[in-house]
Amino acid sequence: DTAVSQTPKYLVTQMGNDKSIKCEQNLGHDTMYWYKQDSKKFLKIMFSYNNKELIINETVPNRFSPKSPDKAHLNLHINSLELGDSAVYFCASSQGGGGVQPQHFGDGTRLSIL
Amino acid sequence: SQQGEEDPQALSIQEGENATMNCSYKTSINNLQWYRQNSGRGLVHLILIRSNEREKHSGRLRVTLDTSKKSSSLLITASRAADTASYFCATSVQAGTALIFGKGTTLSVSS
Repeated sequence: DTAVSQTPKYLVTQMGNDKSIKCEQNLGHDTMYWYKQDSKKFLKIMFSYNNKELIINETVPNRFSPKSPDKAHLNLHINSLELGDSAVYFCASSQGGGGVQPQHFGDGTRLSIL
Repeated sequence: SQQGEEDPQALSIQEGENATMNCSYKTSINNLQWYRQNSGRGLVHLILIRSNEREKHSGRLRVTLDTSKKSSSLLITASRAADTASYFCATSVQAGTALIFGKGTTLSVSS
């Protein structure tokens, strides 16, 4: 009965490859997010979707493309992976967007680029 | 740009002691939230305090907000080894904008 689940938990791949991370929430929330946490634990918003509509798109390389097939799912596809993409990627959800409500986080996907 | 800055960066205490972490921010806010992150896990929401509130409690947690000083503090009373984690403050400038996280305080509680 995990509230926000991400797969895979670990992702080790070569530079230049394309990979996807999936996220699902069963909380009935209407807003989902992708965050990137670097090696110094700094957490930065990448994208936010409200009812399948993109509402926040921070300065992220266009190699990163989010997709929300429905309001319970938000996937992240990354093309042409680079060394600097190594990080932990967190999915989160909330009822209502824009930081006005608590956010619920998944346990992260640890991406390592060789 | 980073909005919140936690202080101290790291804190080590003994079980039973109180732990205080501070957060300072730069611009006016809608609300401020505190999160906990255990090693290898996602962030867990602790408390949300709105800009018109000064203090909130939740169990052993007490959060204060001083909008005139643009600062907040998180007090954990009677700490336990299980409180060992990183603690982050996050600010919401206005509805519809992103939640901005600070760099966190790493708390170690030894038994």
